Amino acid sequence: QSVLTQPPSVSGAPGQRVTISCTGTRSNIGAGYDVHWYQQVPGTAPKLLIYGNNNRPSGVPDRFSGSQSGTSASLAITGLQAEDEADYYCQSYDSSLSAWVFGGGTKLTVL
Amino acid sequence: QLQLQESGPGLVKPSETLSLTCTVSGDSISSSSTYWGWIRQPPGKGLEWIGSVYSIGSTYYTPSLKSRVAIFVDTSKNQFSLKLTSVTAADTAVYYCVRGITVFGVAGIWFDPWGQGTLVTVSS
Repeated sequence: QSVLTQPPSVSGAPGQRVTISCTGTRSNIGAGYDVHWYQQVPGTAPKLLIYGNNNRPSGVPDRFSGSQSGTSASLAITGLQAEDEADYYCQSYDSSLSAWVFGGGTKLTVL
Repeated sequence: QLQLQESGPGLVKPSETLSLTCTVSGDSISSSSTYWGWIRQPPGKGLEWIGSVYSIGSTYYTPSLKSRVAIFVDTSKNQFSLKLTSVTAADTAVYYCVRGITVFGVAGIWFDPWGQGTLVTVSS
């Protein structure tokens, strides 16, 4: 069981907007530690998508955005495209574990 | 452009030691504010951070593996390595080497880039 909780799956039609939630506790997201997001296309290594809650690395489209509030964070994807079909993971730091932790991952299906 | 490449045996017997090396190209492993680490992913499952090492020696390990894991840097070869002792089938996973970056302190680390990953199977 992951320290950060994500929905197992979400789906949306091309062009739509979807959000993926990442719920933590007061020892991680709620403590103010940054949340980062990764995209993993099946069979490949994860790729950094969002860092520091809402910053995009160079090359990541502005269709991807992150936000954080209280003990939760969210990844939003607008203008959904077929190429967005992948697994998405959130990551933060947990002070009670003294460890960097991941969510269980969310599989995005583009209908 | 920074690139990471894992190497090591793809098959390890139960109770033996898993050893992997990550070769860093495109940057010095001694770069400041940079942490080098390992993350694994069991087949069909999610990501688990194993541990990270700062170039000057500070190490951080996940509590569940702390008694069995060691990560160390070889600056002369621009490499860092993972050793995991007394492995069982539960240690079967794809192992990724990663660079950890932070701006405001070690807790804020994010991981980028990732190596392509190497599958290690624990089986007799």
